[in-house]
Amino acid sequence: AQSVTQLDSQVPVFEEAPVELRCNYSSSVSVYLFWYVQYPNQGLQLLLKYLSGSTLVESINGFEAEFNKSQTSFHLRKPSVHISDTAEYFCAVSDPGTGKLIFGQGTTLQVKP
Amino acid sequence: EAQVTQNPRYLITVTGKKLTVTCSQNMNHEYMSWYRQDPGLGLRQIYYSMNVEVTDKGDVPEGYKVSRKEKRNFPLILESPSPNQTSLYFCASSLTSGYGYEQYFGPGTRLTVT
Repeated sequence: AQSVTQLDSQVPVFEEAPVELRCNYSSSVSVYLFWYVQYPNQGLQLLLKYLSGSTLVESINGFEAEFNKSQTSFHLRKPSVHISDTAEYFCAVSDPGTGKLIFGQGTTLQVKP
Repeated sequence: EAQVTQNPRYLITVTGKKLTVTCSQNMNHEYMSWYRQDPGLGLRQIYYSMNVEVTDKGDVPEGYKVSRKEKRNFPLILESPSPNQTSLYFCASSLTSGYGYEQYFGPGTRLTVT
């Protein structure tokens, strides 16, 4: 069975500092990997995804994630965070048979001034 | 504007009183799904639908029903709500179920059952 583990429930960081949100997955088949972001009182928005090809994927707002098959990881990074990045971040893997997204527990990123 | 809408956004009800949460998408998506979000558990799928008249159970279907009579609508029905169904519910849709298509999420419905 597929599963996703986000290793940190909360990550506090100062503005303009770098950040890494960790995600490990378990799957016996080829996977599609996603990071979603949830701002307060809103639904989830896709941040970036890995389907195939280049293992480094980027979002339009400066986040990037690297697919590492040998370590079964898909960590999310940003070199310099802003206050506006404060949100909850979810890593997810897609079940190819049902289309179900299997989510990790979520990581709350708290950016402090 | 392409979107998934849910109603109501907030609902407080009592144990056993039937309720329906509506979900509608305007993107002509085939695939629709319901998730519930609970602290420390992330989101878990309740039901999904590959297309009209095709629905199936997700990971936590107990106590819920769905129907898909039209492509755009996918209501979630709680016939006899219980306090353990207090949660934040999200409807989502995507073009189809495979190939890693993005799922678009509604704004959420916060349900409290007393």
